Amino acid sequence: DSGVTQTPKHLITATGQRVTLRCSPRSGDLSVYWYQQSLDQGLQFLIQYYNGEERAKGNILERFSAQQFPDLHSELNLSSLELGDSALYFCASSVRAGQSNTEAFFGQGTRLTVV
Amino acid sequence: LAKTTQPISMDSYEGQEVNITCSHNNIATNDYITWYQQFPSQGPRFIIQGYKTKVTNEVASLFIPADRKSSTLSLPRVSLSDTAVYYCLVGERPSSASKIIFGSGTRLSIRP
Repeated sequence: DSGVTQTPKHLITATGQRVTLRCSPRSGDLSVYWYQQSLDQGLQFLIQYYNGEERAKGNILERFSAQQFPDLHSELNLSSLELGDSALYFCASSVRAGQSNTEAFFGQGTRLTVV
Repeated sequence: LAKTTQPISMDSYEGQEVNITCSHNNIATNDYITWYQQFPSQGPRFIIQGYKTKVTNEVASLFIPADRKSSTLSLPRVSLSDTAVYYCLVGERPSSASKIIFGSGTRLSIRP
């Protein structure tokens, strides 16, 4: 158990809809990262938040947005969903104040299926 | 961010030692080399990290030559459960503003 919790585990929705994926980081971690992994594809970095602020951005579509709340949990919002958005979405957390941060800890992912 | 090149796939047998090499010619002074393992439908898991020379932990060893332009992940006496995708990452350690970028990875298949 990495300590990172993602909900829901599975999500099925129709094209054009909007969904919200939730991530609770490891206790004490200040950074949250979001990734998209399509079938048999690599992990695509989407965005990083640190202590509530957006700090790094990858190839995140304009239809996607994220935020990190004061309690450090994060949400990834996906709107106007298309069939191609079907994928596993992973959240990772890292970066504790005053520590040498070696790695990111990943959640078990949310499997999104757009039909 | 330094680009990494690693084999797309590798096959081996139970009980063998497996070495996966990663090339990273443009590694920067502040960059570390980190390896993650990913099983199907699971999130990646950290295996090992190094800066130079050799690092060993309970699951793997990481060999880094003096020029740091490549690295080799060594898995001793693999078992069927080591079948996974292995990612080599080169970059700064996680910080308040950092992208953790994954490449294509090496798909390792272990046979009985």
